[in-house]
Amino acid sequence: KAGVTQTPRYLIKTRGQQVTLSCSPISGHRSVSWYQQTPGQGLQFLFEYFSETQRNKGNFPGRFSGRQFSNSRSEMNVSTLELGDSALYLCASSWGQGANTGELFFGEGSRLTVL
Amino acid sequence: AQSVTQPDIHITVSEGASLELRCNYSYGATPYLFWYVQSPGQGLQLLLKYFSGDTLVQGIKGFEAEFKRSQSSFNLRKPSVHWSDAAEYFCAVGPVGYKYIFGTGTRLKVLA
Repeated sequence: KAGVTQTPRYLIKTRGQQVTLSCSPISGHRSVSWYQQTPGQGLQFLFEYFSETQRNKGNFPGRFSGRQFSNSRSEMNVSTLELGDSALYLCASSWGQGANTGELFFGEGSRLTVL
Repeated sequence: AQSVTQPDIHITVSEGASLELRCNYSYGATPYLFWYVQSPGQGLQLLLKYFSGDTLVQGIKGFEAEFKRSQSSFNLRKPSVHWSDAAEYFCAVGPVGYKYIFGTGTRLKVLA
């Protein structure tokens, strides 16, 4: 069974640009969560999607957005990039049924560097 | 408010020595608790989880953790550390509205 796949793995952008990251969950998983990981802040929750609906959003500015498609694949977008957006962006999938997302399965992440 | 604290930022142990990584949480009810491990440049791999039942949980790679409600702790243990265990370890608690809260991590260094 294939794991969570994130693309691209590495990317370099300049300030003011925008970026789109992609996540393909484990087959059958309908919940996709996104986390930002930085050395100083640890893992910070961005948002969670289930069946194309955003169920929860973290405390990030509106420049951070996401969506989920009918096949459960998800994308997140960051517009008007800032230096502080440099981070490892982790996607996690889970069954997502019921009142909570259940156990999270993580991808290897997309490392974004903003120059 | 819900939170997770991993008091030790770095821990160094000798290969073959025992290991205990601490995790304390604040949560209104009985939480779901997890330990994840992250190797450099990789994502997070689940070591073990506690949902309910037996408070001593066995995981992969010889790790175990014990849920202690009275102490709001979920410490990770391993009787004998291997050099390949060097990594960063994260404790997580939830759910909090379809998300989990992660600790800031403990980086483990293993001396040969």
